[in-house]
Amino acid sequence: QVQLQESGPGLVKPSETLSLTCTVSGGSVSSGSYYWSWIRQPPGKGLEWIGYIYYSGSTNYNPSLKSRVTISVDTSKNQFSLKLSSVTAADTAVYYCARAPPHGDYVGAFDIWGQGTMVTVSS
Amino acid sequence: SYELTQPPSVSVSPGQTARITCSGDALPKKYAYWYQQKSGQAPVLVIYEDSKRPSGIPERFSGSSSGTMATLTISGAQVEDEADYYCYSTDSSGNLVVFGGGTKLTVL
Repeated sequence: QVQLQESGPGLVKPSETLSLTCTVSGGSVSSGSYYWSWIRQPPGKGLEWIGYIYYSGSTNYNPSLKSRVTISVDTSKNQFSLKLSSVTAADTAVYYCARAPPHGDYVGAFDIWGQGTMVTVSS
Repeated sequence: SYELTQPPSVSVSPGQTARITCSGDALPKKYAYWYQQKSGQAPVLVIYEDSKRPSGIPERFSGSSSGTMATLTISGAQVEDEADYYCYSTDSSGNLVVFGGGTKLTVL
């Protein structure tokens, strides 16, 4: 059974870079045709897709965040990571990593999620 | 940009049928997926590809899609179904992932 676990600092200063890691257990980040994704949820608000990296290494980001986001994979550690630069208070949220199998040529259902990690942007 | 529109809230009595809608221009061409999120927990997939139910999801959860609207139906809603529900789909290109704004279901 594949499980995902987010990790990283819970507090980031404004203008700095938020860095999170998602560790994959029970499966391999480099096997199977999966989309490895990041999704966030500000307190009391809805879900917002940040982006994903396909098993092939190609990435796709939310246009509203694209200039600040980088998602990468470390196959040696069986992890994938999120970096969000120049953060502000508006980036305060619970950050989830999630897995989605493809549906045809596109991303399918996010079927496995991590438990989420709260990141606060504050000085 | 692309948006999926959901009602902010739906309220039913226990045993009644709850229907939550999700509208989007690309839904005639793209599948809708539905998630249940209880307070403090990660979302759980309850319907995928418009109408399919993952293993372990009760049969009272069903989904349908017609034209620009997808619908999540909970037949005989129970108190434990109280949660926020989100639809998810992509734009017509398949490259922009979008979640609806969420619907708070109250069962009381």
